[in-house]
Amino acid sequence: GAGVSQSPSNKVTEKGKDVELRCDPISGHTALYWYRQRLGQGLEFLIYFQGNSAPDKSGLPSDRFSAERTGESVSTLTIQRTQQEDSAVYLCASSRRVRTEAFFGQGTRLTVV
Amino acid sequence: AQSVTQPDIHITVSEGASLELRCNYSYGATPYLFWYVQSPGQGLQLLLKYFSGDTLVQGIKGFEAEFKRSQSSFNLRKPSVHWSDAAEYFCAVDLGSGNTGKLIFGQGTTLQVKP
Repeated sequence: GAGVSQSPSNKVTEKGKDVELRCDPISGHTALYWYRQRLGQGLEFLIYFQGNSAPDKSGLPSDRFSAERTGESVSTLTIQRTQQEDSAVYLCASSRRVRTEAFFGQGTRLTVV
Repeated sequence: AQSVTQPDIHITVSEGASLELRCNYSYGATPYLFWYVQSPGQGLQLLLKYFSGDTLVQGIKGFEAEFKRSQSSFNLRKPSVHWSDAAEYFCAVDLGSGNTGKLIFGQGTTLQVKP
């Protein structure tokens, strides 16, 4: 596609429910990143994929967070048993290969009520 | 711990005035350095990057940034601000550890432009 696409753009969920966030990277981009942006703060790194393997999961805040990627394509970030502190904008980025320009999607705004 | 600091949370400048946004990083070696802009309702857009070489880098939309190793700084500048520059600006570094390309971001600086 023309850019990184994320869905849904907005998600409101009840505390305790599971949510899945989707990222479609730019075609041909092997590197994929997930970041979280809390209100008024910078972006926090969550996880990095190279192809469909995740060599760096160091930013995942708890075992309620997981992510997977199909080949060099779609990635899903799953948050289980959501908590109010999970409310944030979740941003996905992809790059042709590691350490080249990363292109960001518009994010999914998650609100846990 | 490695960190990126943007000391100014909010800056207001008049249209046509010059702009400088500050960024300092804490890291032993020279990282890769980036400035991103986030306009309301938009994703992050890369303004410019520094990997090596000339310490003054030119970016899009008339922005430039200067890497100063002695000050661990990478300040963003624009000689004449336009109303459309109002946005949030993020400095980011790629420490290169593990070669993952993950970025560490500053807290961001919100730029307001007065007519």
